[in-house]
Amino acid sequence: EFVLTQSPGTLSLSPGERATLSCRASQSDGTTYLAWYQQKPGQAPRLLIFDASSRATGIPDRFSGSGSGPDFTLTISRLEPEDFAVYYCQHYGGSRGSFGPGTKVDIK
Amino acid sequence: EVQLVESGGGSVKPGGSLRLSCAASGFIFNKAWMNWVRQAPGKGLEWVGRIRSKTEGRTTDYAAPVRGRFTISRDDSKNTLFLEMNSLKTEDTAVYYCGTDGTYHDYVWGSSFSKDFDSWGQGTLVTVSS
Repeated sequence: EFVLTQSPGTLSLSPGERATLSCRASQSDGTTYLAWYQQKPGQAPRLLIFDASSRATGIPDRFSGSGSGPDFTLTISRLEPEDFAVYYCQHYGGSRGSFGPGTKVDIK
Repeated sequence: EVQLVESGGGSVKPGGSLRLSCAASGFIFNKAWMNWVRQAPGKGLEWVGRIRSKTEGRTTDYAAPVRGRFTISRDDSKNTLFLEMNSLKTEDTAVYYCGTDGTYHDYVWGSSFSKDFDSWGQGTLVTVSS
């Protein structure tokens, strides 16, 4: 079974700080079919990064993605107040589409 | 303006069936791959499945928990996506979102598929309870 693991579960930071979120796939195949989504309470998810490192249209450049299977990273260079949310990674290669359990970034 | 509007949610007893619809507008629907994603109350996102465009034969993929019970289809003539849910279980209770999963972008030299096309509906609540 293909599983994504995200760490940490919660990240408590202050505005202006750097956030580093991790996503690990249970299978190591060098894939880059990895996306990152942001979700705020009561809202649908929003695509931030696709193909592991490409920023989606309209996403600020403080968001960046890196890595290849099995280890991926989402970095937010300087947290803005609107960035406090839950972040999910998703693997979408082949017939897959599973999400990781999420990392909550909250205000310290 | 790109818009996705889900409908069809509601309450149903275990073992029952429900059909969700997602009306799309503002983009070339028949080129887009489409997803269903759900979120149980207080929980994370769970991918339900996808349907590809006509170019890929409208093929579908499903998450293991729903495979064999749920069916995703599309009517490109009506710009509408469907999720047929049968043999519903209490653990299927969630807000169901339809969303894009990428599309073909046209260029001078041809077209190319990219996941960089992101739009989601507002979600529709499905409650499975006796």
